[in-house]
Amino acid sequence: EVQLVQSGAEVKKPGESLKISCKGSGYSFSTYWIGWVRQMPGKGLEWMGIMYPSDSDIRYSPSFEGQVTISADKSITTAYLQWSSLKASDTAMYYCARLTGVDYFDYWGQGTLVTVSS
Amino acid sequence: SYELTQPPSVSVSPGQTARITCSGDALAKQYGYWYQQKPGQAPVLLLYKDSERPSGIPERFSGSSSGTTVTLTISGVQAEDEADYYCQSPDSSGTYFFGSGTKVTVL
Repeated sequence: EVQLVQSGAEVKKPGESLKISCKGSGYSFSTYWIGWVRQMPGKGLEWMGIMYPSDSDIRYSPSFEGQVTISADKSITTAYLQWSSLKASDTAMYYCARLTGVDYFDYWGQGTLVTVSS
Repeated sequence: SYELTQPPSVSVSPGQTARITCSGDALAKQYGYWYQQKPGQAPVLLLYKDSERPSGIPERFSGSSSGTTVTLTISGVQAEDEADYYCQSPDSSGTYFFGSGTKVTVL
């Protein structure tokens, strides 16, 4: 059974750094692109970027390039999304999702709620 | 810029048919995909390649495509279908966009 299990909710202050995780299991982690999707409170889904764990190829949405860093450790089948300096506007639910056929997301993590507040 | 346009909301009575459209230039060359998101839950893949249903998705969910528009149809709407629905499609440069979402309300 394919599963993506994300790390727990985080509460941070503006300016702090953060790295959230997404552990994949039940499939060949290295050979599927994995992506990150943001959902701000009461808003829609926004694609942030994807990564191919096998060769670390990364593609960012223009809206998020330079704002976040996507990475993965294929030895522990885990993908990461990190910020070096959080802003209040980063408050959102973040989902990881597996990309299939390089076209669509067939499995999703349960989401990680990030709250940034002073 | 790349956009996928959906109606903000659709209201339907139980047992009736709901149709949600998604329009965008890229859909003329790319497949459309649909996700269902219920309150407090992660999105779930509903349809892929315009009209294919993943295992476990009820037959009342169907899809079609014409020109630059894909349509999600929910036949015989049930109360449990009340949710937000998002279309999605890749563009030719390998980036992925979601529509703005449609809230389906079952009256």
